Amino acid sequence: DVVMTQSPLSLPVTLGQPASISCRSSQSLVFSDGNTYLSWFQQRPGQSPRRLIYKVSNRDSGVPDRFSGSGSGTDFTLKISRVEAEDVGVYYCMQGTHWPSSFGGGTKVEVK
Amino acid sequence: QVQLQESGPGLVKPSETLSLTCTVSGGSVYDGSYYWSWIRQSPEKGLEYIGYVYYSGSTRYSPSLKSRVTISIDTSKNQFSLKLSSVTAADTAVYYCARVPGVDILNFGMDVWGQGTTVIVSS
Repeated sequence: DVVMTQSPLSLPVTLGQPASISCRSSQSLVFSDGNTYLSWFQQRPGQSPRRLIYKVSNRDSGVPDRFSGSGSGTDFTLKISRVEAEDVGVYYCMQGTHWPSSFGGGTKVEVK
Repeated sequence: QVQLQESGPGLVKPSETLSLTCTVSGGSVYDGSYYWSWIRQSPEKGLEYIGYVYYSGSTRYSPSLKSRVTISIDTSKNQFSLKLSSVTAADTAVYYCARVPGVDILNFGMDVWGQGTTVIVSS
């Protein structure tokens, strides 16, 4: 299976400040069609995961534009330009290029 | 708006079969743009993809669970189901059903999730 490694494990952030989460895959996530199937999910406390970003950098409908995704190949990043209180939770990357799909271990974003 | 809801026993005895159903509302499992998946989450293993079923009934399972998993679909009831046999304590987890835009092995990311149901394996 493709191993997805996220860092950091925990990310204390001051409200209004930026945050950045790294995700690395053990294999390239570029598919033969030229697309890269890397998604980001947010899981707030007590809730199900929610997709924020798909295919590296495409934001889902309703997702604030302070969230952005970037990267290529095996290295990817989720950035929050200015953290708000509602952003507290655990963030996961997931690769959907290789079977089976696999998730990173998660990064917990908390307010300092 | 499409919604998914898991249902099934919250407690299963070791060596028995775990059975869960996901009911889809606001949309149809007969939509060929999606496949219908099961994912589980535990503190030990994190988020783990179990497999999916397509509206046609075709399935694909994670190799680590393939020998014990069956996912099926009932288009008349707008439901799909998970069966996991010979369970052990390691199968204790929150089980989610989800809708996945995708093609064959490609997973574009689960865009609708159920609320999740906790299953505990214990005698």
